Amino acid sequence: NAGVTQTPKFQVLKTGQSMTLQCAQDMNHNSMYWYRQDPGMGLRLIYYSASEGTTDKGEVPNGYNVSRLNKREFSLRLESAAPSQTSVYFCASSSQGRTEAFFGQGTRLTVV
Amino acid sequence: SQQGEEDPQALSIQEGENATMNCSYKTSINNLQWYRQNSGRGLVHLILIRSNEREKHSGRLRVTLDTSKKSSSLLITASRAADTASYFCATDPGGTYKYIFGTGTRLKVLA
Repeated sequence: NAGVTQTPKFQVLKTGQSMTLQCAQDMNHNSMYWYRQDPGMGLRLIYYSASEGTTDKGEVPNGYNVSRLNKREFSLRLESAAPSQTSVYFCASSSQGRTEAFFGQGTRLTVV
Repeated sequence: SQQGEEDPQALSIQEGENATMNCSYKTSINNLQWYRQNSGRGLVHLILIRSNEREKHSGRLRVTLDTSKKSSSLLITASRAADTASYFCATDPGGTYKYIFGTGTRLKVLA
C-alpha cells in the first residue's frame, strides 16, 4: 500500500524554467492538496481539490497551476519558476476533506 | 496570514517529562487536527477533535479544544526521545474542505 506518492523527490530548476510535480494516491480519496513548506512558515496551502473535477485556490496560489487528472492524480505546475518558489512541496489526500490527511514524502525544489 | 499559530515555537524537555503545546486559530471550524513531522519527512496524523468535543485521548496524547477561545492544546505525557519532532495543528476554516496549518512547535526531548 503506497499511500501518497510524489515525483520527483528532488529537483533543481533555473529561473524561468517550467516543470510539473506529480502526485498520486491509491486510497480512493476524494480530496487532494498541494502545500509548500518554508523554514519558519509551517505549511501553506497552494491549491486543493475537494473532489474529482474541481480545484480551488489556497493561501498562496500565485505562480502555480494544478490539474486534477482523475481521482488518483493531482499535479502542480510551475510555468516560469522563480527563486521565491524554492521550497519543499507536499501533496496530501483525504477521504472527504474532513478527516485525516495522508501526506507524501515531499519534493525538494531549488530554483537558481 | 495563517489560520493557526502554535505556541511555543520551540520546546526542549527531558525524557519522561510532559510536553504541552498550544494552537490558536481565527475562524470557526468543524474539526482540528494535530500532526507530527520528523525532520525532512512528510506529516503524520496524530489525532482529530471535532468542534463539539472538548477533550480526546489517544495513547500518551491528550488534546483539548475550547471553541469559545478558538484554541487547542496537545499534551504528550511521559515523553520519549522518539517524540522529538515538529508538531502542527490544522483546521478547516469555516468548515471548508481545505486544511490550514499553523507554524508548528519544534519539540526536542533529551535522553
